[in-house]
Amino acid sequence: GENVEQHPSTLSVQEGDSAVIKCTYSDSASNYFPWYKQELGKGPQLIIDIRSNVGEKKDQRIAVTLNKTAKHFSLHITETQPEDSAVYFCAASISTGANNLFFGTGTRLTVIP
Amino acid sequence: DTGVSQNPRHKITKRGQNVTFRCDPISEHNRLYWYRQTLGQGPEFLTYFQNEAQLEKSRLLSDRFSAERPKGSFSTLEIQRTEQGDSAMYLCASSTYNYGYTFGSGTRLTVV
Repeated sequence: GENVEQHPSTLSVQEGDSAVIKCTYSDSASNYFPWYKQELGKGPQLIIDIRSNVGEKKDQRIAVTLNKTAKHFSLHITETQPEDSAVYFCAASISTGANNLFFGTGTRLTVIP
Repeated sequence: DTGVSQNPRHKITKRGQNVTFRCDPISEHNRLYWYRQTLGQGPEFLTYFQNEAQLEKSRLLSDRFSAERPKGSFSTLEIQRTEQGDSAMYLCASSTYNYGYTFGSGTRLTVV
């Protein structure tokens, strides 16, 4: 099955700086890559996703890049704010309506005011 | 619609007892998923429904676990003869075919 690896496991940045989280996947059939933000005591919340026919997608301060050849994708958060502090998970699956997502192990982001 | 609703939010049970969790998905979503999340890990897939049909089950779903979605709306996940290793957050999510998952806030199970 699919194996998703995520780095780093923890990340601290100063407010206003950028944060980058990287993931790799193993199954070349995967073609849908969502990112989730999880705050304490809550379920994961979808923040951005990308499909394999697109190399980059941006939504305000958040962007995701995908390199299908190298099987890796990254989350970029610019102008970080304290409310960005949370655990971020990448995931991979075969389609947007896939039966199951394979998640990475998470990155705990701390934005220092 | 207020999103995916899960009840209870927290459950503490003694080892060997049975527990049941409920998930109410977003009303127009025909797909429903159960995931399990342990501390410091990403969610792991347990099972998937399309309408009332249970189409896939993970090997993580031992014979002590059973899930139902009787009318294609809400779903229940039952764990029989709970063990300490069952302690985790149980997450429910729903989706349509062309849209990503929406997760609920989860049910945190503690087996003592």
